[in-house]
Order: sequence, then structure tokens, then C-alpha cells
Amino acid sequence: AQTVTQSQPEMSVQEAETVTLSCTYDTSESDYYLFWYKQPPSRQMILVIRQEAYKQQNATENRFSVNFQKAAKSFSLKISDSQLGDAAMYFCAYRSMEYGNKLVFGAGTILRVKS
Amino acid sequence: DTGVSQDPRHKITKRGQNVTFRCDPISEHNRLYWYRQTLGQGPEFLTYFQNEAQLEKSRLLSDRFSAERPKGSFSTLEIQRTEQGDSAMYLCANEPGREAFFGQGTRLTVV
Repeated sequence: AQTVTQSQPEMSVQEAETVTLSCTYDTSESDYYLFWYKQPPSRQMILVIRQEAYKQQNATENRFSVNFQKAAKSFSLKISDSQLGDAAMYFCAYRSMEYGNKLVFGAGTILRVKS
Repeated sequence: DTGVSQDPRHKITKRGQNVTFRCDPISEHNRLYWYRQTLGQGPEFLTYFQNEAQLEKSRLLSDRFSAERPKGSFSTLEIQRTEQGDSAMYLCANEPGREAFFGQGTRLTVV
């Protein structure tokens, strides 16, 4: 079974600075998707960024980018120019392409943004 | 707002009672998932539907839990004889395309 590990329960960043959230995963599959989701307090979870495992190029979405290291099974999220609205719980998630379509989530990292 | 609606938002029930939650997806005839999220943890998969067919159930889904999605539209999740360990946030996700859209969840408290 696949597992996702987020080793940082909580991170803090100063407004306008850059922060990196870590994620590692374990799988024996070669084809899969990786995701970062954001869950603001009492609000819906929304997709931040997606990476297909077969793509070597790291995904980017505006101020959000990933560092995908397939051999190391590492998938970190970098948030540049942090804003107060980035404060939330961030979840790393894995989706298998071979054995069904459910998301497997990590335990999450709380991101606090200081003004 | 992702367009996925869940009702109710909060439910407090006494141990042993039955509860039912509803999820209205963005669109019909696609994938719909149920997840459970306990405090400080990531969501855990419970079950999923492709249209009206329930294709996978987690071992977390004991025989007290049942889910339906009649006609591939809205879905319901029922918990019978609730236990305190059932207290959690129950999330619904709909996948009209390649992306999963989550509802705001139903927070269940069993007292």
C-alpha cells in the first residue's frame, strides 16, 4: 500500500518570504499523480498543484512550484512571496494510476504566515 | 466555493443513533468519493462511486456504514448505531474531470 509522509507538523514564514513544505511517499508503482491541497480553516480543500510522475519537468502554478524527485520519492512544495492568505493546512497526496483512483493523503503541515 | 455541497455542515448525535449525510456533486455521472478526516490528520478514503456503481470500499468502512448514489447523482452516507470513534469530519469529493473538488464536509460529533 502507498503511504505519504509529511514530516513537518507546522511551519512559519514571514510575509513576502519563501517557504518549502516537505513530502515523501512510498510506492512500487511507476505511474501515478502527486498533489498538494490547501485546506484553510473551516473552508473547503482546494487543489494547489498537480504533478504527473511521467513528467520530468516540475509543475508550477504562479507562486507555487514543486521539486519532484522521483528516484528519491520526494515531492516538496515551494511557496514564493508568501501572503497572509496562504495560511492553511497543506496536504500532500498520492493517486495511483494502476490500482484505483483514491487519494492517499499525508498528515498535513500547518503553515502560519507572519505579517 | 468548489460547487460540491454537503449537508448538514454539523451534526451532533447521541451514541447509538443513526445519522445520514448528503453530498450534491458539481455534476452527475462521474466519480464521487467519501473520505473521513479526524483532527490533525489527513483525509482517509472510505468509498467511491463511478456513476451509481460503488466500485471500492475501504476496510475502514465497517458494516455500520453504507453509502449510496442513486442514478449517479447525489450521494448519501449513513452510519448506523454511531460510536464515539465515529466523530470526525466526513468529506465528499467529486471528480467531473481530472481534478477532485471537495465539499466543506460534515462534522459529526457523537456524544
